[in-house]
Amino acid sequence: NAGVTQTPKFQVLKTGQSMTLQCAQDMNHEYMSWYRQDPGMGLRLIHYSVGAGITDQGEVPNGYNVSRSTTEDFPLRLLSAAPSQTSVYFCASSYGQALLGTEAFFGQGTRLTVV
Amino acid sequence: KNQVEQSPQSLIILEGKNCTLQCNYTVSPFSNLRWYKQDTGRGPVSLTIMTFSENTKSNGRYTATLDADTKQSSLHITASQLSDSASYICVVSGGDTNAGKSTFGDGTTLTVKP
Repeated sequence: NAGVTQTPKFQVLKTGQSMTLQCAQDMNHEYMSWYRQDPGMGLRLIHYSVGAGITDQGEVPNGYNVSRSTTEDFPLRLLSAAPSQTSVYFCASSYGQALLGTEAFFGQGTRLTVV
Repeated sequence: KNQVEQSPQSLIILEGKNCTLQCNYTVSPFSNLRWYKQDTGRGPVSLTIMTFSENTKSNGRYTATLDADTKQSSLHITASQLSDSASYICVVSGGDTNAGKSTFGDGTTLTVKP
């Protein structure tokens, strides 16, 4: 049982490049989400999914795309990287939505630098 | 606008001492409040989850309290250890019209020194 696995752990991109951050969980959780964490700020929700085939925007979705073809995987795509997207990205999963008070499990994070 | 404010922003204590972290929120209607511990370079890990009807919940040396009337929560750490050095994040989730939406505090950075 690996929990939530994110890859890569570190990435440097040039402005305008695209890439996909991978997130996989093996707990059969329906709810998955992506956050970014910037210095001195709380985690901000980018996109989330309440189940396979269903995604929705969070607080800061611009510049990011997601898809959820399987329960296990929830990749985050940066379409054209910008320096403002330099951040640490966390993927999280939980059995249900926050409304149910269920615990969210976070991945180890991906530290992304856009130059 | 739903807000979660944590204080202090940072705190330094000596090993073995106790400390209390504060979380005030405006999220309404309220569903639950969670405290997470985030070690440097790692993802957050859940410490406690509290719902409207719960006033106190403990997890080892961590004790969280909730006053839903005043919209305040605290996290008390007893007999601190060096491994308690981390960022502590308060997360409040809403109910009804805010169902499923979580608001994160900016966190309190705790440093425990020998």
